[in-house]
Amino acid sequence: DAGITQSPRHKVTETGTPVTLRCHQTENHRYMYWYRQDPGHGLRLIHYSYGVKDTDKGEVSDGYSVSRSKTEDFLLTLESATSSQTSVYFCAISEGGAEQPQHFGDGTRLSIL
Amino acid sequence: SQQGEEDPQALSIQEGENATMNCSYKTSINNLQWYRQNSGRGLVHLILIRSNEREKHSGRLRVTLDTSKKSSSLLITASRAADTASYFCAKSDNAGNNRKLIWGLGTSLAVNP
Repeated sequence: DAGITQSPRHKVTETGTPVTLRCHQTENHRYMYWYRQDPGHGLRLIHYSYGVKDTDKGEVSDGYSVSRSKTEDFLLTLESATSSQTSVYFCAISEGGAEQPQHFGDGTRLSIL
Repeated sequence: SQQGEEDPQALSIQEGENATMNCSYKTSINNLQWYRQNSGRGLVHLILIRSNEREKHSGRLRVTLDTSKKSSSLLITASRAADTASYFCAKSDNAGNNRKLIWGLGTSLAVNP
């Protein structure tokens, strides 16, 4: 299995609080992705990174920011969490963007009350 | 937005039977990928098929690609209860960004013992 770790695995927090999710990889892959998965919506891309300090928005980026200061870590931040951001968040990595397979972490289940 | 459309949305079969899932798309692709997701886990890559390929195999899995019909099929032969999962197709769009995949909504497969 690809070395990819998400933390925390579960989190419950209150509306308006900041939340940071971490994705850590040991594969030295260039590309890293943050998705959210909700019933009826499938997998939706939030942000992705194509190198250290190189990031771009996905289809549901509003309310989220990311940072990648080193190859192995990709952080997703909810500056002021809202109940609509309750979801399961997945991180994925890839050597070659969309031209190679993506490898996924086991997800973070985030509940915002 | 999702451009990979899987059908059926849900499929229930008996152990030993074959399961076929289909994925259609709208624009030309560089490759199409199939993933499996077991309940509560991250997605696992199964097969990547490139636009110049027509068929690929991996164990009991067979993927076909028909670019003229803009569709792909995933066949699981001699299914087992352990094949119960959701299956997703994702495509790399050759007209757009080759850094990210476009995901379908998935087919939920139940294999009954």
